[in-house]
Amino acid sequence: DSGVTQTPKHLITATGQRVTLRCSPRSGDLSVYWYQQSLDQGLQFLIQYYNGEERAKGNILERFSAQQFPDLHSELNLSSLELGDSALYFCASSVPLNTEAFFGQGTRLTVV
Amino acid sequence: GDSVTQMEGPVTLSEEAFLTINCTYTATGYPSLFWYVQYPGEGLQLLLKATKADDKGSNKGFEATYRKETTSFHLEKGSVQVSDSAVYFCALRDTGNQFYFGTGTSLTVIP
Repeated sequence: DSGVTQTPKHLITATGQRVTLRCSPRSGDLSVYWYQQSLDQGLQFLIQYYNGEERAKGNILERFSAQQFPDLHSELNLSSLELGDSALYFCASSVPLNTEAFFGQGTRLTVV
Repeated sequence: GDSVTQMEGPVTLSEEAFLTINCTYTATGYPSLFWYVQYPGEGLQLLLKATKADDKGSNKGFEATYRKETTSFHLEKGSVQVSDSAVYFCALRDTGNQFYFGTGTSLTVIP
């Protein structure tokens, strides 16, 4: 158990809908990262937050947004969903030192 | 910008064979380097890490050495087992605390 909790584990929704994925980082970790993993794209970095503020943006679509709350949990919002958004979405957290990131088990999103 | 390039898969080996998965990186400064493993249906788990040049990370029979002169961090294991079948990711953390991952290498070990 990495200490990073993601909910829900599975999500099935229709095209055009909006969903929210939740991540609780390890206790004490200030940084949260979101990644998308699809079969043909590998692990794509979406966005990073540090202590409530956006720190870096990767290949995140305009239909996607995220935030980190004062209690450090984070949410990734995906709207106007398309079939191609079906993927595994991972959250990771780390401390601001030269160490590894810890990954959650992921949320498998299926858009039908 | 910073990046990681790792060997394309998939890789199929017989049990007890020697494993090498190549990884090279591009980075400014002195990044930390990692190997993560992902078993089917699971998240990424840290396998080993090295935080400075010439460090050797090791875990579960796997090892990798941080080679600054060749900007490499190749993963090796002397004798693979069926239970090692997974996807392996090379990654770096730069001085700005950003992580960069390779595309992953799928390993299948057959009995």
